[in-house]
Amino acid sequence: GAGVSQSPSNKVTEKGKDVELRCDPISGHTALYWYRQSLGQGLEFLIYFQGNSAPDKSGLPSDRFSAERTGGSVSTLTIQRTQQEDSAVYLCASSDPGSPLHFGNGTRLTVT
Amino acid sequence: SQQGEEDPQALSIQEGENATMNCSYKTSINNLQWYRQNSGRGLVHLILIRSNEREKHSGRLRVTLDTSKKSSSLLITASRAADTASYFCATDAENSGYALNFGKGTSLLVTP
Repeated sequence: GAGVSQSPSNKVTEKGKDVELRCDPISGHTALYWYRQSLGQGLEFLIYFQGNSAPDKSGLPSDRFSAERTGGSVSTLTIQRTQQEDSAVYLCASSDPGSPLHFGNGTRLTVT
Repeated sequence: SQQGEEDPQALSIQEGENATMNCSYKTSINNLQWYRQNSGRGLVHLILIRSNEREKHSGRLRVTLDTSKKSSSLLITASRAADTASYFCATDAENSGYALNFGKGTSLLVTP
């Protein structure tokens, strides 16, 4: 079946603009994660959705970052007033609770 | 915050040799997972070892877990050029609600 799909694959934006990143998880997966990966670095946890529970937002680096998951499926990560330090690859993953994560190929965000 | 830390940061070996990567973590965990990431792609799950297990095998992969030392190792035997990738360990701390914490990874280069 289809894996996790992220769009766009690449996004170049000007400093100060807002961006929306989209994630289509694997159908039926109740858990959805967003991570950020800077060049040559590990994955920085951003936010975690599990079913209808309140999301774990503890990893969001600032109030410019927000995410939602509509109908327990598609998720969007929004970054407002982008800064150059926001440049990174944003990875989405989905899973059944406690099971291995299935990752998308990420969105490479470049803020100029 | 990043829980797992991989060692070494980079490893270069020749085909046929074995590659060993280590991971240390800080808090009690439910399980530890290893993932692989090819350049420009998302992460792919390799193997999961539970906190009550000490060793696990999957094909050419062997994972060990020492909860007393809070460490794990990933051994790839008879390496191939196609094994070239970055390898990450990930842990779910007991109180994290299944949100995985990743280390910075080990970059493995296998030369023909």
